[in-house]
Amino acid sequence: DAGVTQSPTHLIKTRGQQVTLRCSPKSGHDTVSWYQQALGQGPQFIFQYYEEEERQRGNFPDRFSGHQFPNYSSELNVNALLLGDSALYLCASSKLSGVTDTQYFGPGTRLTVL
Amino acid sequence: AQKVTQAQTEISVVEKEDVTLDCVYETRDTTYYLFWYKQPPSGELVFLIRRNSFDEQNEISGRYSWNFQKSTSSFNFTITASQVVDSAVYFCALSELIYNQGGKLIFGQGTELSVKP
Repeated sequence: DAGVTQSPTHLIKTRGQQVTLRCSPKSGHDTVSWYQQALGQGPQFIFQYYEEEERQRGNFPDRFSGHQFPNYSSELNVNALLLGDSALYLCASSKLSGVTDTQYFGPGTRLTVL
Repeated sequence: AQKVTQAQTEISVVEKEDVTLDCVYETRDTTYYLFWYKQPPSGELVFLIRRNSFDEQNEISGRYSWNFQKSTSSFNFTITASQVVDSAVYFCALSELIYNQGGKLIFGQGTELSVKP
C-alpha cells in the first residue's frame, strides 16, 4: 500500500520564476492538504482540496494556487517566487468522512529560491 | 484563535532516560482533535497519535504514552527508556473542525529531541 508521494524531492529556482509541485495521495484517500514548513518552524496550512475544489485556505497570497485531478492527485503552483518562499512543502492526504480524519504526510519537496 | 505551544525548543537526554514533551493548546471549539507527529531528519512527518476532545483517557503504545488534560489544555507526550532512534523533531497539532470539510492542522513550533548513546 503506497503512502503519499511527492515530486520532485528538491528544486532550485530563482526569484520571479514559477514552480509546480506534485502530490499523489495514499490509496483510498480523496482529500489533499498542502503545508509550508520554513526552517525551524512548524508546518503552516496553505490549502485543502476535495472533489477537485479548494475547500479551505490558510493565510497565503494568491500567488499560491492549486489543483486537484479526478484521480485525487494534486499540484501546488507558486508564481513570482520570493526568497521567503524557500521552504519544505508538505502534502498530506486523508479520507473526508464528516469528522476530522488523520492526515498522512509525504516526504516533502524542498524548494530553494535564489 | 487556535494556537499550539511547545515551550521546549530542544531537549537532550541520554539513552534509557524517560523524557516528556509538553504541548499546550488554545481553542474555543468544544470539539477538536489533537495529534502528535514525529519528523526525523528525512523530513517526512510520521503520525503517532490522534485524540478527540471527548476522550481524556491516557494512552500507552509501547514506550510511548500520552497524557491529555482538558482542565489545563495540555496534551503531553512521554517516551519511556528513550533510544537513539527516537531522535527527531516532534510536533503537537490541533485540528480545527469544519463539518464535512476535514480539518486543517495547526502545529506547534516543535521540540527537537536528541537522544545520546
